[in-house]
Amino acid sequence: QVQLQESGPGLLKPSETLSLTCIVSGGSISSSRYFWGWIRQPPGKGLEWIAIIYYSGSTYYNPSLKSRVTISGDTSKNQFSLKLNSVTAADTAVYYCGRLCQGYKYGDNWFDPWGQGTLVTVSS
Amino acid sequence: QSVLTQPPSVSGAPGQTVTISCTGSSSNIGAGYDVQWYQQLPGRAPKLLIYGNSKWPSGVPDRFSASKSGSSASLAITGLQAEDEADYYCQSYDSSLSDYWVFGGGTKLTVL
Repeated sequence: QVQLQESGPGLLKPSETLSLTCIVSGGSISSSRYFWGWIRQPPGKGLEWIAIIYYSGSTYYNPSLKSRVTISGDTSKNQFSLKLNSVTAADTAVYYCGRLCQGYKYGDNWFDPWGQGTLVTVSS
Repeated sequence: QSVLTQPPSVSGAPGQTVTISCTGSSSNIGAGYDVQWYQQLPGRAPKLLIYGNSKWPSGVPDRFSASKSGSSASLAITGLQAEDEADYYCQSYDSSLSDYWVFGGGTKLTVL
């Protein structure tokens, strides 16, 4: 059973870089069957997809965050990471990592499972 | 504003049936992309409830069912139980903004 666990600092100052890692157990990020990604949820608000990475190294970014985001994978450690530059208070959120499963056709994807999430607060 | 539109809240008494709608457009649900549903219990991570418009992951009771028609989808919960009180999110794919996975704004289900 695949499990994901986020790790990273919980408190950042404005303009700093957010760095999070998702450690995957029970499955390999090198599998061609899945994508891997990050989703965030500001306090009291809904879900927002941030970035996705495929085993081949292909990456996909939410257009609204693309200029500030980098997702990368480390197959030797079976983990993938997120970097978000120049954070502001608007980036305060619970950040989840998740496995993105594929359906029969392109675009038919679902996130399962999810990590437990980690709260990142941006405050001076 | 979310690409997929859900009602902010719904409620129902134990044993009743409630439905949650998810309205999209011709670039996402209406384009034929599948709809997924997630349940988020208070203080917990979202959990996959339905995938591929109407399929159940292992372990999800069949009290939860979903359907899709045109540019909209809906989630039905029958035999409402107290533990169903949670936030529910729909999710699909939008082809208008170059590789874009989208969520609804979420619906808070209150069990009266």
